[in-house]
Amino acid sequence: EAGVVQSPRYKIIEKKQPVAFWCNPISGHNTLYWYRQNLGQGPELLIRYENEEAVDDSQLPKDRFSAERLKGVDSTLKIQPAELGDSAVYLCASSPQVRREPYEQYFGPGTRLTVT
Amino acid sequence: GNSVTQMEGPVTLSEEAFLTINCTYTATGYPSLFWYVQYPGEGLQLLLKATKADDKGSNKGFEATYRKETTSFHLEKGSVQVSDSAVYFCALTFYNKLIFGAGTRLAVHP
Repeated sequence: EAGVVQSPRYKIIEKKQPVAFWCNPISGHNTLYWYRQNLGQGPELLIRYENEEAVDDSQLPKDRFSAERLKGVDSTLKIQPAELGDSAVYLCASSPQVRREPYEQYFGPGTRLTVT
Repeated sequence: GNSVTQMEGPVTLSEEAFLTINCTYTATGYPSLFWYVQYPGEGLQLLLKATKADDKGSNKGFEATYRKETTSFHLEKGSVQVSDSAVYFCALTFYNKLIFGAGTRLAVHP
């Protein structure tokens, strides 16, 4: 079974430039998550999707970050414009649609973003 | 609020040594508790979990027991291998949200 796929794996951009990350979850997983992991820290949730619907985006900085999951499968996370403080690893995860905890999230390898 | 605190790393051990990585949590209600592992260049993988007090999660020789009275979920392994070198994250779930600790880097040398 293929795991969560993310691209690109690495991205270096100058500040004020836009950047986009792509995620393909495990087939059949309805729930998709985007996390940001700063250096030396644990991942922090940015947004959670149930199918096409963003059900928790309370931690997404909406002035510069946006995300979409148009057909309930792949998802794109965008930053425009990027700032130096956005340098981090952006992780995508997916899980089967569940109504009760606990559940397991399957993580992709992440995209390491460096803003110069 | 809800949070997870882990012991700071790096933890450096010789092969076959005993491992303990401390994890304590603060939570309202009764969360489920997890240990995730991140090997170099790979994504996070679930290592083990426990859903209620006194449950013991185990996998690949690692164990952790959900201790409600001490709000702890310490990770242990009796004999580590070089291949266990990785970053270990303790986490809890709160309203469908995973909250992670900062991670503890483990380095095992031959």
